[in-house]
Amino acid sequence: QVQLQESGPGLVKPSETLSLTCTVSGGSISSYYWSWIRQPPGKGLEWIGYIYYSGSTNYNPSLKSRVTISVDTSKNQFSLKLSSVTAADTAVYYCARCPGIAVAGAYYGMDVWGQGTTVTVSS
Amino acid sequence: SYVLTQPPSVSVAPGQTARITCGGNNIGSKSVHWYQQKPGQAPVLVVYDDSDRPSGIPERFSGSNSGNTATLTISRVEAGDEADYYCQVWDSSSDHQGVFGGGTKLTVL
Repeated sequence: QVQLQESGPGLVKPSETLSLTCTVSGGSISSYYWSWIRQPPGKGLEWIGYIYYSGSTNYNPSLKSRVTISVDTSKNQFSLKLSSVTAADTAVYYCARCPGIAVAGAYYGMDVWGQGTTVTVSS
Repeated sequence: SYVLTQPPSVSVAPGQTARITCGGNNIGSKSVHWYQQKPGQAPVLVVYDDSDRPSGIPERFSGSNSGNTATLTISRVEAGDEADYYCQVWDSSSDHQGVFGGGTKLTVL
């Protein structure tokens, strides 16, 4: 059974770069789309972006200038970097798997999620 | 960018049917996914591609999608169904970016 685990600092200073890693266990990172999603306290879900195992990416336009998602297939991990953070970036950050997006015309939901990690931006 | 609109809250008595809507421009042409999120937990996919259920999701959860509205229907509602529910699409009109609805709090009376 595939499991995802987010890791990274729980506290980041304003203007610095938030860095998180998602480790995939119990399965391969290949042939899937891997997303980052965040949820500010008391608010809804916000999609940050995804990376295909081959390395192609797609980002939320509202965050695109600050976001980089990368993949390391040898470690079965993918990562998120969000630069120039402010208090508005304080949230629970989730990683999630999607079996396919527009694959032969098929669209799938995100079927496996990590437990989430809380990141607070504060000096 | 594409916008999905959900009612903030829906209330239903145990044993009754809950319907949670997700509105979007011509959403019937898109594939809609639904997630259940209980407090302090990660979201769980309950319906994908409008009306399919992942393994392990009860048949009480069903979905439909037509015109400008997608609907998640929960039959024979139980106390354990109380949660936030989010709809989501991969928006083909914007290079398949992910879009979530604002979420609906389902209260079981």
